[in-house]
Amino acid sequence: NAGVTQTPKFQVLKTGQSMTLQCAQDMNHEYMSWYRQDPGMGLRLIHYSVGAGITDQGEVPNGYNVSRSTTEDFPLRLLSAAPSQTSVYFCASSPGGTGGTDTQYFGPGTRLTVL
Amino acid sequence: AQSVTQLGSHVSVSEGALVLLRCNYSSSVPPYLFWYVQYPNQGLQLLLKYTSAATLVKGINGFEAEFKKSETSFHLTKPSAHMSDAAEYFCAVSPHSGGYQKVTFGIGTKLQVIP
Repeated sequence: NAGVTQTPKFQVLKTGQSMTLQCAQDMNHEYMSWYRQDPGMGLRLIHYSVGAGITDQGEVPNGYNVSRSTTEDFPLRLLSAAPSQTSVYFCASSPGGTGGTDTQYFGPGTRLTVL
Repeated sequence: AQSVTQLGSHVSVSEGALVLLRCNYSSSVPPYLFWYVQYPNQGLQLLLKYTSAATLVKGINGFEAEFKKSETSFHLTKPSAHMSDAAEYFCAVSPHSGGYQKVTFGIGTKLQVIP
């Protein structure tokens, strides 16, 4: 199993550009999520999905869009990049259905810089 | 609302010394608690988790944590630090009502191991 994979690993954008961060998992997990990691702030949830066709907002959803057409894939779209979106982005998946005890499996991250 | 506090954003220990990373939680009812580790340029991976079964939880790589309700704490320990333990450690809390969109991560503690 490859686990959770993310592409690209690094990306530089100019303000106003759009792009999609890709995330895929091969563990047949129901739940998937996107976090951003900023120094001194830990991980903050952007969007999450509890199954194909079902998505919802997390703590910091503004400026981001998601969709989940398959169990495996959960892309994150930046609609119009801003310098405040410079961050490291992590995708995670978990089996779901175990209440609050779910273990999350994280991808290696995408380091995004917006100029 | 739940929250988690990690005391000390940076901790340095000598190789072979005790590792103690502190985590205190705030929750109206005892939650589920997790420790994740992030090695340089990698995603997070689960070290251990408390799910109400036992207050002393053993994890991977010789780490363990003890849930203390009276102190609202879940500190992470390892008797003897190894150079390979240098990483960032995150404490996380999840309510019993489930839904990992409600998981809250601490800001992280960077562990430095001095040879």
